Amino acid sequence: GEDVEQSLFLSVREGDSSVINCTYTDSSSTYLYWYKQEPGAGLQLLTYIFSNMDMKQDQRLTVLLNKKDKHLSLRIADTQTGDSAIYFCAERKGSQGNLIFGKGTKLSVKP
Amino acid sequence: KAGVTQTPRYLIKTRGQQVTLSCSPISGHRSVSWYQQTPGQGLQFLFEYFSETQRNKGNFPGRFSGRQFSNSRSEMNVSTLELGDSALYLCASSSGSYEQFFGPGTRLTVL
Repeated sequence: GEDVEQSLFLSVREGDSSVINCTYTDSSSTYLYWYKQEPGAGLQLLTYIFSNMDMKQDQRLTVLLNKKDKHLSLRIADTQTGDSAIYFCAERKGSQGNLIFGKGTKLSVKP
Repeated sequence: KAGVTQTPRYLIKTRGQQVTLSCSPISGHRSVSWYQQTPGQGLQFLFEYFSETQRNKGNFPGRFSGRQFSNSRSEMNVSTLELGDSALYLCASSSGSYEQFFGPGTRLTVL
């Protein structure tokens, strides 16, 4: 397909792990990103991974990349109510290409 | 360092009018990109400026234009506004590397 695809909704309990999945379009994409958007706000860069990596961990965040399947995932450990937001996956070809975004996954965290 | 700033934060216009939005990138960043966010289409790339030159352009009509000044500040202009131009307009700044940092956005409502 031509679109970056994400599931629209995810609901978890506080303290559980959240896994947000994304399928991107272009195997030549060099950089893959996760952004977070809270209501009424812009996009916050959470983390990124280069296409020559399989995994990246940054505190509570773990990114897994499967280049063969063009699949990217974001795991949030010990999810908190403050993690409730929309999470966007994005791909980029080279350092000068524009970002191509998925439609976003709305994460709801229940106490 | 101060983040990306966008002015105004909110704007209401009527059909047929024109509008100018402003973006000040992070100090030292020379690349500014603009994105449109709507509930239906999601996040779509408008254009990118680097050192006062348009480096990349998305698939938007000519009513959408932009420019960048020598201090890297950028403006985006939309002429002959249509109802469908109602959106959150996001500006992103980059030093030229793989990271793009977004501002809080300008919410444009066209009546």
